[in-house]
Amino acid sequence: NLMLTQPHSVSESPGKTVTISCTRSSGSIANNYVQWYQQRPGSSPTSVIYENNLRPSGVPDRFSGSIDSSSNSASLTISGLKTEDEADYYCQSYDTRNHVVFGGGTKVTVL
Amino acid sequence: QVQLVQSGAEVKKPGASVKVSCKASGYTFTSYYLHWVRQAPGQGLEWMGIINPNGDSTNYAQKFRGRVTMTRDTATSTVYMELSSLRSEDTAVYYCARNSYPRFDHWGQGTLVTVSS
Repeated sequence: NLMLTQPHSVSESPGKTVTISCTRSSGSIANNYVQWYQQRPGSSPTSVIYENNLRPSGVPDRFSGSIDSSSNSASLTISGLKTEDEADYYCQSYDTRNHVVFGGGTKVTVL
Repeated sequence: QVQLVQSGAEVKKPGASVKVSCKASGYTFTSYYLHWVRQAPGQGLEWMGIINPNGDSTNYAQKFRGRVTMTRDTATSTVYMELSSLRSEDTAVYYCARNSYPRFDHWGQGTLVTVSS
């Protein structure tokens, strides 16, 4: 079964940059689009990146996404960290049967 | 504006079934598939399956096949997720989410289902 592996947590100071990885266990990361969702405590997830590197309207350009075929992973980068960015972040993609797969989630702490 | 409004919290005993509803508004109901995703306390997101409101076709995650049924009512623009043979591990918040492939572009507010004797 396909797995998307994320670090459990990352932390950084306000104004700094964090990058969260999402490593695909089998098949090429480039075969299926990767999406990223932000989930603040007590709230439903919201989309911050889709189709690897596109931002929905209303998402600040401090959020960016990319994929790297050499490491078979996707990354979410948040620059100019703000306290409001403190949340859980999940990557999401598809397996060969077009079933949805989520990463385990990464807790971002703004120190 | 697009809204997905889910039914309220439920408490069920082990072995029972639960049926959660998700009422869509602000868009053409039959134009977008809807997913169900759950989240156990303190855990990550887990995909359960998807329903096509235009025709009622479904596709369930292997883990839930045989226990989950997703249906829709086009007259009320509502989709339903029924999970049977509940056990304590099914205690979770259940979300519906609209599919705008490849992403989930709108989510319901979530429904807490507690399974306890």
